[in-house]
Amino acid sequence: NAGVTQTPKFRILKIGQSMTLQCTQDMNHNYMYWYRQDPGMGLKLIYYSVGAGITDKGEVPNGYNVSRSTTEDFPLRLELAAPSQTSVYFCATQTGFYQPQHFGDGTRLSIL
Amino acid sequence: GQQLNQSPQSMFIQEGEDVSMNCTSSSIFNTWLWYKQDPGEGPVLLIALYKAGELTSNGRLTAQFGITRKDSFLNISASIPSDVGIYFCAGQIIIQGAQKLVFGQGTRLTINP
Repeated sequence: NAGVTQTPKFRILKIGQSMTLQCTQDMNHNYMYWYRQDPGMGLKLIYYSVGAGITDKGEVPNGYNVSRSTTEDFPLRLELAAPSQTSVYFCATQTGFYQPQHFGDGTRLSIL
Repeated sequence: GQQLNQSPQSMFIQEGEDVSMNCTSSSIFNTWLWYKQDPGEGPVLLIALYKAGELTSNGRLTAQFGITRKDSFLNISASIPSDVGIYFCAGQIIIQGAQKLVFGQGTRLTINP
């Protein structure tokens, strides 16, 4: 998964805390995506961006916010962490239309 | 919204056996993708299918894009231990100017040596 870097790899939060999950890519891809993967399930889209300055909601956006001030970075913010947000979060990029998405290694987040 | 039904959910096979899994949907997709996910890692793309009826191979892997654009299958021939993992199908659609992926629930493959 070279080219898509997610940090941190693991994090434990207390209920009500906030944090930002970082996603950085060095491939100059316009399209970027945030997914969450709950145990035993496929990935669900949280937010996506088609370019710097443009973001939009996916399937499960509640409780999250994103920004895209540069092509390289697409941070995902949790403002008031809740146990239901315990999941593995994946960032993905896409070089262009009709091209496959490529994923980072994920951030495993536990909220207690 | 769009949903994919992936089956089987899990498979337990002997090394050397062939494997077959599939995805179906009530929705039409313009691209079908197959990913493999190893523990602690992100999904890695195996095969991408762009045309209805397309049959594509990648080594021991073969996948097909259904004629109706509502289904796809993945076959793995002569399985080896490194094939162990979770396989996901994903359908790609265009919504609001972006290509969005809808994922199946995954097929967990276990191989007995």
